[in-house]
Amino acid sequence: EDKVVQSPLSLVVHEGDTVTLNCSYEVTNFRSLLWYKQEKKAPTFLFMLTSSGIEKKSGRLSSILDKKELFSILNITATQTGDSAVYLCAVGNTGNQFYFGTGTSLTVIP
Amino acid sequence: GAVVSQHPSWVICKSGTSVKIECRSLDFQATTMFWYRQFPKQSLMLMATSNEGSKATYEQGVEKDKFLINHASLTLSTLTVTSAHPEDSSFYICSASFFASGYNEQFFGPGTRLTVL
Repeated sequence: EDKVVQSPLSLVVHEGDTVTLNCSYEVTNFRSLLWYKQEKKAPTFLFMLTSSGIEKKSGRLSSILDKKELFSILNITATQTGDSAVYLCAVGNTGNQFYFGTGTSLTVIP
Repeated sequence: GAVVSQHPSWVICKSGTSVKIECRSLDFQATTMFWYRQFPKQSLMLMATSNEGSKATYEQGVEKDKFLINHASLTLSTLTVTSAHPEDSSFYICSASFFASGYNEQFFGPGTRLTVL
């Protein structure tokens, strides 16, 4: 059965801390792994990863994929209160099906 | 990223009425559109996958006669919740996807909050 597992389920940190969110997957015919940030509305796209070992960066956020060990991490450095959200990981296969993890709820305390 | 719109953004209706939600990809042609629902503090639950011009594929447990999906064009899909009941109250989110250069992306609409009284 195809599945995506995210850890931790929730995390509370102080402003300025660095956090690492994990996403492991078992999906046949893997094509891409996507990270999203969801605040009060629909998820917003962060990164799409298709190749191992290539880090994607956007400001304080970065992500990398390991297709051999079947996982990805999302790093957030120097966290701010505006980073508080649920972070979703999704994996797409060659049939254009997507599998979502349950998300990691991040709370950043001032 | 690509833009996906959803309309309405929120709706309140009486029990027994039908509600139609539109999902549009504004600047690209979506090969596939997905419909999700999300309950508070839970992850996205895929309801159905729809490809333009063909019938939607519903996930197990989702009633196709209750949640009617029409994907008339490459930029528009609609979800109609028929004879809505309070337990149908939820956040409904659509997304649109397209294949390009051997990879796929998925872009979400802003969501529709449905409240059934």
